[in-house]
Amino acid sequence: AQKVTQAQTEISVVEKEDVTLDCVYETRDTTYYLFWYKQPPSGELVFLIRRNSFDEQNEISGRYSWNFQKSTSSFNFTITASQVVDSAVYFCALTSGGSNYKLTFGKGTLLTVNP
Amino acid sequence: DTEVTQTPKHLVMGMTNKKSLKCEQHMGHRAMYWYKQKAKKPPELMFVYSYEKLSINESVPSRFSPECPNSSLLNLHLHALQPEDSALYLCASSLGTGYNSPLHFGNGTRLTVT
Repeated sequence: AQKVTQAQTEISVVEKEDVTLDCVYETRDTTYYLFWYKQPPSGELVFLIRRNSFDEQNEISGRYSWNFQKSTSSFNFTITASQVVDSAVYFCALTSGGSNYKLTFGKGTLLTVNP
Repeated sequence: DTEVTQTPKHLVMGMTNKKSLKCEQHMGHRAMYWYKQKAKKPPELMFVYSYEKLSINESVPSRFSPECPNSSLLNLHLHALQPEDSALYLCASSLGTGYNSPLHFGNGTRLTVT
C-alpha cells in the first residue's frame, strides 16, 4: 500500500518569510513518481513538479525549490520569500506501477501568507 | 487560465433532478479523469478514460454515469443524487496514459445537492 504524509495541516507566515512544506511517502515499488500540486481558493489543482525515483537532484524554479531524499523518503517543498499569492493548499502525491493511474495524495497543507 | 474547461462552475440540484457536468480539453491529451473533492480533503479518483474508453471505475455508485463522446470531451451525468454527494467535482487530463503523466486539472464544478 502507498501512503503520503503531510504532517503540517496549516502553516501561517508573514510575507517574505521562507517556508518549507514537508512530505513523507511510503511505497514498495522501486520505480515511482512524486508530484506537488497547488490548489488556490479558485479550486483548480495546478501541477508544480514531477520527480522520478531515480533522480535525486534537487530542483529550483524561481522562488520554489524541492529537496528529494530517498534515504528519508521525503520530498519537501520550500518557498523562498513567500508572497500573498502563494496562499493555497499544497498537495504532495505519489504514483507507481503498482498504483495504476491512481495518485495517492497527502492530506494537504494549507499555507496562508499574510501581508 | 486553466486549459481544462469545466461547466458549470456551480450547480444546485434536487435529489430527483438529472444534470450533467461537462469537461473539455484541447491539448491532445489521451487520458481524462473525474475526481471528487470534499471540503478540506484531497481529491478522490472516480473514473479514468484512456483513449476514449473507460479504464477505471473506482466503485462509484451508478447515480454517477461518465461519458467520453470524443478525445476532447468528458461528461458526468448525475441522477438521483444524495446530499452527501455535494462536493467539488474536478476534471483532469494527461498527455500520456502512464502513471507518470502529470495531471492538468480544471477549475471544478461546485455541486450542491438539496
